[in-house]
Amino acid sequence: DSGVTQTPKHLITATGQRVTLRCSPRSGDLSVYWYQQSLDQGLQFLIQYYNGEERAKGNILERFSAQQFPDLHSELNLSSLELGDSALYFCASSADGGRTDTQYFGPGTRLTVL
Amino acid sequence: KNEVEQSPQNLTAQEGEFITINCSYSVGISALHWLQQHPGGGIVSLFMLSSGKKKHGRLIATINIQEKHSSLHITASHPRDSAVYICAVPPPYGGSQGNLIFGKGTKLSVKP
Repeated sequence: DSGVTQTPKHLITATGQRVTLRCSPRSGDLSVYWYQQSLDQGLQFLIQYYNGEERAKGNILERFSAQQFPDLHSELNLSSLELGDSALYFCASSADGGRTDTQYFGPGTRLTVL
Repeated sequence: KNEVEQSPQNLTAQEGEFITINCSYSVGISALHWLQQHPGGGIVSLFMLSSGKKKHGRLIATINIQEKHSSLHITASHPRDSAVYICAVPPPYGGSQGNLIFGKGTKLSVKP
């Protein structure tokens, strides 16, 4: 158990809908990362937060947004969902978000868009 | 952009065999990560290393910074080692970002 929790584990929804994925980092970790893993693209970085502020942005679509709250949990919002958004979404956390930090991954949320 | 190449893509071994998975990257880095993804999907961080060698149980990771190459070795492999092994590096630009760029992974299957 990494100490990172993600909810829900599974999510099935329809095209055009909006969903929210939630992540709670390990106790004491200030940085949260969101990654997407699809069959054709592999693991890709979406966005990183550190202590409530956005630190780095990757291949995150404009239809997607995220935030990190004062209690350090984070939410990833996916809107106007398309079939191609079906993927595993991982949250990870690290102590201070630096380049040599170990990242601890949550169990992931499997999103299926029908 | 840092390109991360892993080989082989797929690997089948007999229980007890010594296994090597390779990772090459194109731009100098501060640290390299090896991750393990189980068939159920969960990802576990195995190693983070910036030089030399690290060992944890039957797993050994080495890195050659000059050659931009890392290897993950598994000694006395066991069917429970069956998983996808992923190499990851931080982006090449400066700054404090810690996000990762991933290789495509090596799918290991160890037969009893």
